Amino acid sequence: TQLLEQSPQFLSIQEGENLTVYCNSSSVFSSLQWYRQEPGEGPVLLVTVVTGGEVKKLKRLTFQFGDARKDSSLHITAAQPGDTGLYLCAGAVRDFNKFYFGSGTKLNVKP
Amino acid sequence: GAVVSQHPSRVICKSGTSVKIECRSLDFQATTMFWYRQFPKQSLMLMATSNEGSKATYEQGVEKDKFLINHASLTLSTLTVTSAHPEDSSFYICSAGTGGPRPGELFFGEGSRLTVL
Repeated sequence: TQLLEQSPQFLSIQEGENLTVYCNSSSVFSSLQWYRQEPGEGPVLLVTVVTGGEVKKLKRLTFQFGDARKDSSLHITAAQPGDTGLYLCAGAVRDFNKFYFGSGTKLNVKP
Repeated sequence: GAVVSQHPSRVICKSGTSVKIECRSLDFQATTMFWYRQFPKQSLMLMATSNEGSKATYEQGVEKDKFLINHASLTLSTLTVTSAHPEDSSFYICSAGTGGPRPGELFFGEGSRLTVL
């Protein structure tokens, strides 16, 4: 059983489209992170959110932490082929460094 | 930024043999490291927390006698897959945090792909 469920599992879109990935749990997290992973490599951190309701922007990426700190979303505006990859959310329950990963969303952006 | 290095990046072994994977924090001290495994097209599953100078803490369902973890120094943790079988074939990734009372960045190694024949 996955502590964090992501949706959708797979997403294939055209360049220029917008998309949102969701990360949901019944647990409350002290912090939540989003990662992007390329095949055969370790995940790379995109953002960390700590406060309920927090919104962070990273260029075309917007991250939101739910008010109750149980869920999060990642919104990408005007997706580009370079955004293709596996997006993972990860939540820390108590230990700020011990993260449990979501089920993952594989994004493919077609040119 | 901080770097975590894993070795080897790829290893192929025969069924029944043991394989050791090293995880090193290159420019910071990590009192805690984490080991994950990742099957193809799946997410990362936390296996255990490696604690420097003490026993590792294993997640539910992970066999501690199968996956031996040693964290002998502040910069090195090792994962030994004992008596490996084909079902142990996976991508193993370690991570190390900068610790402290606030959420820090979690630095991941490059991963080690184990193939058991």
